[in-house]
Amino acid sequence: GAVVSQHPSWVICKSGTSVKIECRSLDFQATTMFWYRQFPKQSLMLMATSNEGSKATYEQGVEKDKFLINHASLTLSTLTVTSAHPEDSSFYICSARDASLDTEYEQYFGPGTRLTVT
Amino acid sequence: RKEVEQDPGPFNVPEGATVAFNCTYSNSASQSFFWYRQDCRKEPKLLMSVYSSGNEDGRFTAQLNRASQYISLLIRDSKLSDSATYLCVVKPYNQGGKLIFGQGTELSVKP
Repeated sequence: GAVVSQHPSWVICKSGTSVKIECRSLDFQATTMFWYRQFPKQSLMLMATSNEGSKATYEQGVEKDKFLINHASLTLSTLTVTSAHPEDSSFYICSARDASLDTEYEQYFGPGTRLTVT
Repeated sequence: RKEVEQDPGPFNVPEGATVAFNCTYSNSASQSFFWYRQDCRKEPKLLMSVYSSGNEDGRFTAQLNRASQYISLLIRDSKLSDSATYLCVVKPYNQGGKLIFGQGTELSVKP
């Protein structure tokens, strides 16, 4: 099956610093990537939809200037958490959509990145 | 009201038990429906799609009632390895493929 990787798998950073998370589709071209966030005991919440070569579309309540998304190629999207604060500590998961497949299985999830801000 | 609602559980059942999870969704224009499984500190993994005609995959049976906007998952003969959180997921129509997740129902199967 299709593989999506994320890097790093976990990161600890100090409050006020920025953290970049990479999401890569390893064996397919992902025209669309989705970034989700999951707090403990809660569901995955979509943060933004990223289309290659264009600006990301953010969900209501997600600060676009704080969560910078770049989707410069068909295999890589990055999420940068700027000026991180402890409340940004969460599990960040990306998914990538293989637009060449017209099936409901076309979205594949990365393994997630656990961010802890101290 | 949440777009996708589930009973968070936890459901604690003995091995071999049959357990049923329910889910309701609010957007009648939803296109596709899924059950995902998520293990602790891992990404969600697709368990099965859900169709109006009902579908079965081994011990798992999923059902969709569009009129009631209700989705169910039945697990028969529970195994210890079934312990996980089960996420009800809806894909709205014409929204670029985004998925909307329910809160998840936690299942713990005990020996």
